Amino acid sequence: EDKVVQSPLSLVVHEGDTVTLNCSYEVTNFRSLLWYKQEKKAPTFLFMLTSSGIEKKSGRLSSILDKKELFSILNITATQTGDSAVYLCALPRSDKLIFGTGTRLQVFP
Amino acid sequence: DGGITQSPKYLFRKEGQNVTLSCEQNLNHDAMYWYRQDPGQGLRLIYYSQIVNDFQKGDIAEGYSVSREKKESFPLTVTSAQKNPTAFYLCASSTPTGVNTGELFFGEGSRLTVL
Repeated sequence: EDKVVQSPLSLVVHEGDTVTLNCSYEVTNFRSLLWYKQEKKAPTFLFMLTSSGIEKKSGRLSSILDKKELFSILNITATQTGDSAVYLCALPRSDKLIFGTGTRLQVFP
Repeated sequence: DGGITQSPKYLFRKEGQNVTLSCEQNLNHDAMYWYRQDPGQGLRLIYYSQIVNDFQKGDIAEGYSVSREKKESFPLTVTSAQKNPTAFYLCASSTPTGVNTGELFFGEGSRLTVL
């Protein structure tokens, strides 16, 4: 059965810290792995990863995929309070997206 | 402006009552989805539709029903058979291949509380 597991479930850090969020998966017919940020309501798209070892970067956020070990990590450096959110990992399965459990990140000043 | 509109944003109902959540999109997307989110959890798929007059069950369809009579509309009914309906409900839409590239557009959600 296809599944997406994220860890940790929750993370509390201080501003300036660096965090690493994990997403491991088992899915048939891998096409891509997606990361979203959900602050209050609607998730917003962060990254799409399709190839192993190629880092995607946007400001202080970066992500990489390992298709051999079936996981991806999302790094956030120099965290700010505005990074507080739930971070979701998702994979396409047939014609729909399946989401992981999410990691709730809280950044305190 | 193009987007997805969900209503109502907040809804309170008594146990045993059916409730219908509205989802309308003007993006001309063929595919629409309903997800449920519980506190501390990710999104779980309830129902989805790839085309008008057709829809499929997701992973947690029991106690829910949908219709897709128009391309722009995909209402979700939470029936009295749903054992624990209190949750945050998100509607989304995409092009047929949008799920592969993350181009899933979400509404702002509806928070249902059953008293």
